[in-house]
Amino acid sequence: QKEVEQNSGPLSVPEGAIASLNCTYSDRGSQSFFWYRQYSGKSPELIMSIYSNGDKEDGRFTAQLNKASQYVSLLIRDSQPSDSATYLCAVITDYGGSQGNLIFGKGTKLSVKP
Amino acid sequence: DAGVIQSPRHEVTEMGQEVTLRCKPISGHDYLFWYRQTMMRGLELLIYFNNNVPIDDSGMPEDRFSAKMPNASFSTLKIQPSEPRDSAVYFCASSLVYPSEGDYGYTFGSGTRLTVV
Repeated sequence: QKEVEQNSGPLSVPEGAIASLNCTYSDRGSQSFFWYRQYSGKSPELIMSIYSNGDKEDGRFTAQLNKASQYVSLLIRDSQPSDSATYLCAVITDYGGSQGNLIFGKGTKLSVKP
Repeated sequence: DAGVIQSPRHEVTEMGQEVTLRCKPISGHDYLFWYRQTMMRGLELLIYFNNNVPIDDSGMPEDRFSAKMPNASFSTLKIQPSEPRDSAVYFCASSLVYPSEGDYGYTFGSGTRLTVV
């Protein structure tokens, strides 16, 4: 059973701080990694994707991937109250050229306090 | 672009009744996915289609669930008979390409909140 694990939180940070969200996955063959944001009562929306080891930056968001440690993280700089949401980590495993399924973690709830 | 459109937004039904959820993907998207979200299990993939053809239905819980995609602009997820444990938010999502092929990810619909009493 391939798994994606996240700390459910809630993670509480003050406005302006850096929020760090972490995710581990069980399948070493995983190749594609995504972070989604889901506001309460809304649908998930894609924030970032990452495929290679290292960092990928997009505005205030930085995704970090370490395939050796099977670990992917999302950093949110200068956190704003509007960033308060549940953040979902999602992973695809490539099955020898066949398309794998996008498996989601259960999400980490982030609360940014003004 | 109207995005992925799901209907109804909310559905309350009695145990044993048939429930049909509907989805209109974004025009031109070749992939359509049905997910179910609960607090306990998170987002679970039920089934996905490529060019209207079901590719993987291994996530469909049991024979009570069925999904169809008669054309590129419409899909249904049917539960017959419904049970209280089917209560969840059901999301439909569509994608231009399979997510591993680019930075596209999915575009989710607003979801249908199903309550079976």
